[in-house]
Amino acid sequence: NAGVTQTPKFQVLKTGQSMTLQCAQDMNHNSMYWYRQDPGMGLRLIYYSASEGTTDKGEVPNGYNVSRLNKREFSLRLESAAPSQTSVYFCASSDGQLNTIYFGEGSWLTVV
Amino acid sequence: EDQVTQSPEALRLQEGESSSLNCSYTVSGLRGLFWYRQDPGKGPEFLFTLYSAGEEKEKERLKATLTKKESFLHITAPKPEDSATYLCAVGAGSYQLTFGKGTKLSVIP
Repeated sequence: NAGVTQTPKFQVLKTGQSMTLQCAQDMNHNSMYWYRQDPGMGLRLIYYSASEGTTDKGEVPNGYNVSRLNKREFSLRLESAAPSQTSVYFCASSDGQLNTIYFGEGSWLTVV
Repeated sequence: EDQVTQSPEALRLQEGESSSLNCSYTVSGLRGLFWYRQDPGKGPEFLFTLYSAGEEKEKERLKATLTKKESFLHITAPKPEDSATYLCAVGAGSYQLTFGKGTKLSVIP
């Protein structure tokens, strides 16, 4: 009954460091997403993968890269972290376009 | 550009005091309106999807309704465990949802 699992839960980075957030879902969903959530703002889409083998930019893709490793896994990479990337990151999945999106528990990232 | 505005930003209710949360939206061709609940330090938890004006859905003390311009989340006789931030999102034919900033609900015993 795991649903969407993200790692790590918490991470502190120095400016310029790189890191990868990992996400896996066990619901056999086709589509996966990465969102960020900042105080006073709604959830904003960074990248999504409509199906295995495809990825597309969302609203705020700059500074990020993604990889759809297989149907289950979708990773988000910060190549050179900046303080503006301090945020809570949520991975999510759905069975297709505009079907209900299910979220993971979040990854708290601080860039100093 | 799709827009979602939720009001009020925060709402304090006494236990048992019913009320409604509002989600106003502007979107070109609504394909779905979604309500989520988010507890502190957790990811959003799905509540409802509404697809067309006039549609209503209920779950325990919550009832969601949809018109052509807004959606309401009615909370009947709330309990302290209903305290959370409630998020509204709209989708218009792509994989991208536009989220509102949420309404933080506090239910006081």
